[in-house]
Amino acid sequence: DTEVTQTPKHLVMGMTNKKSLKCEQHMGHRAMYWYKQKAKKPPELMFVYSYEKLSINESVPSRFSPECPNSSLLNLHLHALQPEDSALYLCASSQVRGFTEAFFGQGTRLTVV
Amino acid sequence: GESVGLHLPTLSVQEGDNSIINCAYSNSASDYFIWYKQESGKGPQFIIDIRSNMDKRQGQRVTVLLNKTVKHLSLQIAATQPGDSAVYFCAENTGNQFYFGTGTSLTVIP
Repeated sequence: DTEVTQTPKHLVMGMTNKKSLKCEQHMGHRAMYWYKQKAKKPPELMFVYSYEKLSINESVPSRFSPECPNSSLLNLHLHALQPEDSALYLCASSQVRGFTEAFFGQGTRLTVV
Repeated sequence: GESVGLHLPTLSVQEGDNSIINCAYSNSASDYFIWYKQESGKGPQFIIDIRSNMDKRQGQRVTVLLNKTVKHLSLQIAATQPGDSAVYFCAENTGNQFYFGTGTSLTVIP
């Protein structure tokens, strides 16, 4: 199983809503990532978890709150988002050590209205 | 056809021709590089990778070249097919952080 599964695939939320994005992998990877991708732009790294602990936060606003409940799951909690936060949110996982690629999910297309 | 990645983000080639997609990376400490293909509405998909102790690696119809002196990567696709139409990103890895280059949109003309 080399799959990273993200849910939901699409999400529309208001600026006062609270929602969560979910990501799951069963490859035994202990590094997991959240990326944000705007149209016609490269994915931008937001957060890195290593062994279920947050190791990198790329100065992401606090309205985005990541959580890694166990080695297979990664969540991104959203609160009080702005329309400019509308984007494709990608989850990825990789081995912590070694020269191996990050496997990506298909993303959640988020629209903030 | 050939792109320079950061400065020419689109590349159109005839079916059957070879394609060359270029990428400049920024961190001289990066020790691992990956080319990803991203089709519309999908996540990035691994194509080929290369470690910093190599300067060339070949896969099926694809070759990656690495020039550490000028911090430059290229992806060569042989006999480009319509199914190769996508956006191609290079990614550099430094200690578990994958950072993406600007990307190049490849269009294959039948």
